[in-house]
Amino acid sequence: GENVEQHPSTLSVQEGDSAVIKCTYSDSASNYFPWYKQELGKRPQLIIDIRSNVGEKKDQRIAVTLNKTAKHFSLHITETQPEDSAVYFCAASGGDSSYKLIFGSGTRLLVRP
Amino acid sequence: GAVVSQHPSRVICKSGTSVKIECRSLDFQATTMFWYRQFPKQSLMLMATSNEGSKATYEQGVEKDKFLINHASLTLSTLTVTSAHPEDSSFYICSARDPRQPTDTQYFGPGTRLTVL
Repeated sequence: GENVEQHPSTLSVQEGDSAVIKCTYSDSASNYFPWYKQELGKRPQLIIDIRSNVGEKKDQRIAVTLNKTAKHFSLHITETQPEDSAVYFCAASGGDSSYKLIFGSGTRLLVRP
Repeated sequence: GAVVSQHPSRVICKSGTSVKIECRSLDFQATTMFWYRQFPKQSLMLMATSNEGSKATYEQGVEKDKFLINHASLTLSTLTVTSAHPEDSSFYICSARDPRQPTDTQYFGPGTRLTVL
């Protein structure tokens, strides 16, 4: 089955700097890669996703890149703000017909004012 | 995005009792819902896939007789934790696939924090 690895586990950046979180996946048939942001005690919120037919997608300060050959994808947050502080999870799906998501282990991002 | 609700948000129960958690899609019909559990400072672990009108598909290592899932309508799935024990204490979150969106998009409920005494 699918296995998703995520790095780093914690990331501390200065406000205004960029943050990059990386994930690798094992199932070459996976074709959908969402990123979720979760604040303490809250539900995961979808912030951006990418499908395997594109290599990059951007939404304001957030971008995701996908390298299908290497089976890795990354989240890029530019001009970070304190409110970006949260836990970020990557996930992969689509290797079979079940639509289920397999999550990475999470990255705790701290943006220092 | 689509709206998914969950009830209750918190529940405390005694060891040996059963607890039912409801997951509802409020503005769409969800043929597929998913149940996850999340321990403190850990990731979301998929427990099972709930399909409307058919039996749930459980992930390896999840006891189907302990975690009963029912998806009787297109807007409601329930998870019943039977004979709960303190080790079942966790954050349980459901998600639903919105068929109006591209294939794999899922939206999460707010979660249920279960504490078993």
